[in-house]
Amino acid sequence: EADIYQTPRYLVIGTGKKITLECSQTMGHDKMYWYQQDPGMELHLIHYSYGVNSTEKGDLSSESTVSRIRTEHFPLTLESARPSHTSQYLCASSLGQGDTEAFFGQGTRLTVV
Amino acid sequence: GQQVMQIPQYQHVQEGEDFTTYCNSSTTLSNIQWYKQRPGGHPVFLIQLVKSGEVKKQKRLTFQFGEAKKNSSLHITATQTTDVGTYFCAGGNQFYFGTGTSLTVIP
Repeated sequence: EADIYQTPRYLVIGTGKKITLECSQTMGHDKMYWYQQDPGMELHLIHYSYGVNSTEKGDLSSESTVSRIRTEHFPLTLESARPSHTSQYLCASSLGQGDTEAFFGQGTRLTVV
Repeated sequence: GQQVMQIPQYQHVQEGEDFTTYCNSSTTLSNIQWYKQRPGGHPVFLIQLVKSGEVKKQKRLTFQFGEAKKNSSLHITATQTTDVGTYFCAGGNQFYFGTGTSLTVIP
């Protein structure tokens, strides 16, 4: 079983609020990723990181930020939540030496009302 | 960003029938990976292909990587209800996922 954890699992929040979704892994993986996924739909890459102090934007990053201060921690922040942010957010990590298997967290299901 | 398309988007099959999903990238990939996501779950790694023309098998699942390393396929022989889910390919340095194929198996 993969050691990658996301909190909270479910979150209902009001429009305009600032929120941070947490993601931690204990596998020592260098690469970490955030994806947004609507039910039954494709995964959209939001942000990714190659290691500490490295962050890159994916295709869907304009309304969120990430940080990578520690190897094991890769939080995602929405500065001002909107109903269009309602979705599932999946965090993943991989070893980073070449392209290797990615392990996913259980996801955070976000509802903005 | 990188384009990784999959066809078909949806597939309904009778239990026991075969199923194939195809993955096509707009650029050459160093490798390609396949994942399965059960309804309500998260993607789980199935396999990685690295070499041009590579073919790998896992029981009833056969994975192929194209000669040009721009396309791949997943074939399931004699589907079972446990095969239900969405199958994604993924590749590229930024780890872009394909659009996915949702498989429904009718008992």
